[in-house]
Amino acid sequence: AQSVSQHNHHVILSEAASLELGCNYSYGGTVNLFWYVQYPGQHLQLLLKYFSGDPLVKGIKGFEAEFIKSKFSFNLRKPSVQWSDTAEYFCAVRSNYQLIWGAGTKLIIKP
Amino acid sequence: DGGITQSPKYLFRKEGQNVTLSCEQNLNHDAMYWYRQDPGQGLRLIYYSQIVNDFQKGDIAEGYSVSREKKESFPLTVTSAQKNPTAFYLCASSAGTGGYNEQFFGPGTRLTVL
Repeated sequence: AQSVSQHNHHVILSEAASLELGCNYSYGGTVNLFWYVQYPGQHLQLLLKYFSGDPLVKGIKGFEAEFIKSKFSFNLRKPSVQWSDTAEYFCAVRSNYQLIWGAGTKLIIKP
Repeated sequence: DGGITQSPKYLFRKEGQNVTLSCEQNLNHDAMYWYRQDPGQGLRLIYYSQIVNDFQKGDIAEGYSVSREKKESFPLTVTSAQKNPTAFYLCASSAGTGGYNEQFFGPGTRLTVL
């Protein structure tokens, strides 16, 4: 069965630090990849997605992710985080009609 | 405003009782989904529906049932057969089930079985 692994369950950073959240998946075929974010008290929302083409994908709020096929990875990055980036981040991979989800990473930004 | 509404936000149930969670969308989406979220785990798919009057089991459908009589509504019933029903339940919808389609989420219902 396909699976998605997010390596860090909790990350604490100071403002202006750089961020990288890891995501690895097990599916070997053509993949559609997603990062979703859930800000405190808000709905889950799409941060960015990859379907094909340029493996470096840019999303909202200055986030980007790089698809590395050889490493089965889709890591999320942001050069300089802000206090408002405090949220839970989920990586997901589409498998047939389903999204397979990672366990999520809780990110806390210290002001 | 277009979106997905779920009610109620918090729900308490006694063991042995069935309970129905509501999900309504006004996005004119064909596909709808129910997920369960437990602490430290990702979302797990319970059921999904690609079109009215059709639905499919997800990975953890046992103890749950759904209906899709209207495009905008996809209620989930948690039956007494569900062994561990206390969880956070999320409803989502998308224009279709193909790879390009983003899923939009409701605010969730937290179910506690007493």
